[in-house]
Amino acid sequence: EVQLVESGGGLVQPGGSLRLSCAASGFTFSTYAMTWVRQAPGKGLEWVSSISDSGDNTYYTDSVKGRFTISRDISKNTLFVQMNSLRAEDTAVYYCAKFSTTVTTPVELWGQGTLVTVSS
Amino acid sequence: SSELTQDPAVSVALGQTVRITCQGDSLRSYYASWYQQKPGQAPVLVIFGKNNRPSGIPDRFSGSSSGNTASLTITGAQAEDEADYYCDSRDSIDNRVIFGGGTKLTVL
Repeated sequence: EVQLVESGGGLVQPGGSLRLSCAASGFTFSTYAMTWVRQAPGKGLEWVSSISDSGDNTYYTDSVKGRFTISRDISKNTLFVQMNSLRAEDTAVYYCAKFSTTVTTPVELWGQGTLVTVSS
Repeated sequence: SSELTQDPAVSVALGQTVRITCQGDSLRSYYASWYQQKPGQAPVLVIFGKNNRPSGIPDRFSGSSSGNTASLTITGAQAEDEADYYCDSRDSIDNRVIFGGGTKLTVL
């Protein structure tokens, strides 16, 4: 079964850090671009970051540039996002998702999400 | 502009046809994809490309595009189609993913 399972969410204070993980299974992880998308409570979808199949190319939305780092470990079939200097406005459910192939193709598979709450 | 605009809410009578639209300049060079999201669940891809449905998506869902506008049509809406629908596109310069603000579909 093709599956994405996120972990690592939780409550963190403003200015703190968190690393989210996404375990991929059921497909050849190394041949697909991947992405993180978030959804603040009661709001719409917001793209956060993407990474190419090789990991050589990364992309970020302006509001997280310099604070978030996307990466992947092909040996462990796992996608990561390291989130530093967290702000209240980063509070959201974070979804890991898989592109059909490259970053210009549809997002064809989503994980169930992990909740990140930034609050003192 | 790299934004995508959707109507916040649309309603349809059970069994009738409804069209949900998405407007933006990026749609002139990129086919929108459409995602369905039900409360408490992750989004699900329902339409991609010119008019393609992933396996398992009912054929009452279809997509079309003209100029800067993409449309998702549900022909014979069912109660289970009540959900939020999002379109997406790509920025032609830096390949950023762009999402529309979402449309809440109510089936009456």
